[in-house]
Amino acid sequence: DSGVTQTPKHLITATGQRVTLRCSPRSGDLSVYWYQQSLDQGLQFLIQYYNGEERAKGNILERFSAQQFPDLHSELNLSSLELGDSALYFCASSVAPWAGTTDTQYFGPGTRLTVL
Amino acid sequence: GESVGLHLPTLSVQEGDNSIINCAYSNSASDYFIWYKQESGKGPQFIIDIRSNMDKRQGQRVTVLLNKTVKHLSLQIAATQPGDSAVYFCAENIAPGRSGGYQKVTFGTGTKLQVIP
Repeated sequence: DSGVTQTPKHLITATGQRVTLRCSPRSGDLSVYWYQQSLDQGLQFLIQYYNGEERAKGNILERFSAQQFPDLHSELNLSSLELGDSALYFCASSVAPWAGTTDTQYFGPGTRLTVL
Repeated sequence: GESVGLHLPTLSVQEGDNSIINCAYSNSASDYFIWYKQESGKGPQFIIDIRSNMDKRQGQRVTVLLNKTVKHLSLQIAATQPGDSAVYFCAENIAPGRSGGYQKVTFGTGTKLQVIP
């Protein structure tokens, strides 16, 4: 158990809909990362937050947005869903993005999103 | 462009043999490298890491080798067990001072390790 929690574990929805994925980082971690993993693919970095502020953006679509709240949990919002958005979405947390060169990310169990 | 890639997408190994998973990277500014293991249906799990000023680091049954000359990273698993079956990702990390004030992590595409009983 990494200490990172994600809900829900599974999510099934229809095209055009909007969903929210939730992540709680490990206790003490200030940085949260979101990744998308399609079937048999690698991890695609979406976005990173540190202590409530956006720090880096990866390949995140305009239909997707995220935020980190004062209690440090984070939500990833996916709207106007398309079939191709079906994937595993992982959240990871770390102490801080500039905590030297050994800032290991710890991953949650993921949310499996299925868009029908 | 900058990338982290794996030479073999799938590796089949007999139980008890040693496994070697390779990774190539192209960003010479990378300071830190991490190997993750992802079992089916689970999130990636940290295995071992190595800093760029080292060429070898050992853990429990795992060893990571770093060759900066040819920008190559490998993960060696000794006496491979069925529980080692998973996808293994390498990741390269660029220190904050070299990536605009925050760490930048890039993951490779992954190698699937299949252990044959």
